[in-house]
Amino acid sequence: AQSVTQLDSQVPVFEEAPVELRCNYSSSVSVYLFWYVQYPNQGLQLLLKYLSGSTLVKGINGFEAEFNKSQTSFHLRKPSVHISDTAEYFCAVSDGGGSQGNLIFGKGTKLSVKP
Amino acid sequence: DGGITQSPKYLFRKEGQNVTLSCEQNLNHDAMYWYRQDPGQGLRLIYYSQIVNDFQKGDIAEGYSVSREKKESFPLTVTSAQKNPTAFYLCASSVNRAGANVLTFGAGSRLTVL
Repeated sequence: AQSVTQLDSQVPVFEEAPVELRCNYSSSVSVYLFWYVQYPNQGLQLLLKYLSGSTLVKGINGFEAEFNKSQTSFHLRKPSVHISDTAEYFCAVSDGGGSQGNLIFGKGTKLSVKP
Repeated sequence: DGGITQSPKYLFRKEGQNVTLSCEQNLNHDAMYWYRQDPGQGLRLIYYSQIVNDFQKGDIAEGYSVSREKKESFPLTVTSAQKNPTAFYLCASSVNRAGANVLTFGAGSRLTVL
């Protein structure tokens, strides 16, 4: 079965600094990868997804992620963070669609942007 | 705008009571899901439904029940058999994109057992 590891539970960073949130998944023949963001007491919002094609994926709010098959990683990056990026970020993976493709979520990384 | 509506946003329950959380979507998605979120635990799948009148247990279904009588609606009942029901509950629906389920989430319902 698939599994997802988010290596950092908390990441503090100063405003306008770059940030990388790390995500590794267990190996699979084919995989779909997602990053979601959750603001306090709200639902999850899709930041970006990798389904196929280019390994560099651009999402909303200036975030991007790179699919690295050899390292089974899908790290999320932003070159310059804002206070408003303070939130919890979840990496998720699935093997496909239908009942066989339910998402497996990591435990989340709390990004705290300080002025 | 299309989306998922969860209600109530906050709910308090006494021990031994059943409660039902509502989830309605107008996205015309076939599949719907219920997740439970606890601090530091990520999201864990309770139940999911791929089609009307059919649903399957997820990883932590014990103490919960669901129904799917309409495409738009997927209510979750937290029964008195759920030993630790205090949590944040998230409903989602999905559309298939290039072979993958892409989920859209509601705003969540926070249940507290007194």
